[in-house]
Amino acid sequence: SYVLTQPPSVSVAPGQTARITCGGDKIGGKTVHWHQQKPGQAPVLVVHDDSDRPSGIPERFSGSNSGNTATLIISRVEAGDEADYYCQVWDISSDHVVFGGGSKLTVL
Amino acid sequence: EVQLVESGGGLVQPGRSLRLSCAASGFTFDDYAMHWVRQAPGRGLEWVSSLSWKGDNIVYADSVKGRFTISRDNAKNSLYLQMNSLRPEDTALYYCAKDWGGSSWCIQHWGQGTLVTVSS
Repeated sequence: SYVLTQPPSVSVAPGQTARITCGGDKIGGKTVHWHQQKPGQAPVLVVHDDSDRPSGIPERFSGSNSGNTATLIISRVEAGDEADYYCQVWDISSDHVVFGGGSKLTVL
Repeated sequence: EVQLVESGGGLVQPGRSLRLSCAASGFTFDDYAMHWVRQAPGRGLEWVSSLSWKGDNIVYADSVKGRFTISRDNAKNSLYLQMNSLRPEDTALYYCAKDWGGSSWCIQHWGQGTLVTVSS
């Protein structure tokens, strides 16, 4: 089965840029989506199709995907961005949805 | 506004069954694939099952295959998850989720979840 690997934690100072990676075999050939989950809340889709934002998501959220790594990029990080972030793909070979293990973003 | 409201969770003994429901509103339900995703306490997201808009493509995670059954009633704008032979490791918050509707499975909207606890 397809495996997505994320760092357990990422820390960044307010106003800086946070980069959260998602590793997978030839992930650049897949479409990656990112979900944000704040404590006690349901997840929210923040980036879809590698780098597009759903309506209502700030422009500070973007993404990239190439080779074996996809990256969620959060510019001008704010305290309110503290959350767990999960990457998600569709594995065509198994027709399964796959989630990464999640990364906890801490704003210092 | 898309709304997904799960119900049916609760405390159940190992080996017993439970049926979860999800009431959908705010979009044309029968145009979209739907998903169930769960989250054990303090753990990450785990995909459980997906169902195409027409109901002709159904897939399950290996951990639930043969025990869980996903279904939908487009006339009632509802999604279901029949869970049989429940195990303690099935204890989790179960989310109903709407697909984006693109060329691959992409979860666009999430419900608030219903808690399932499997314990004697």
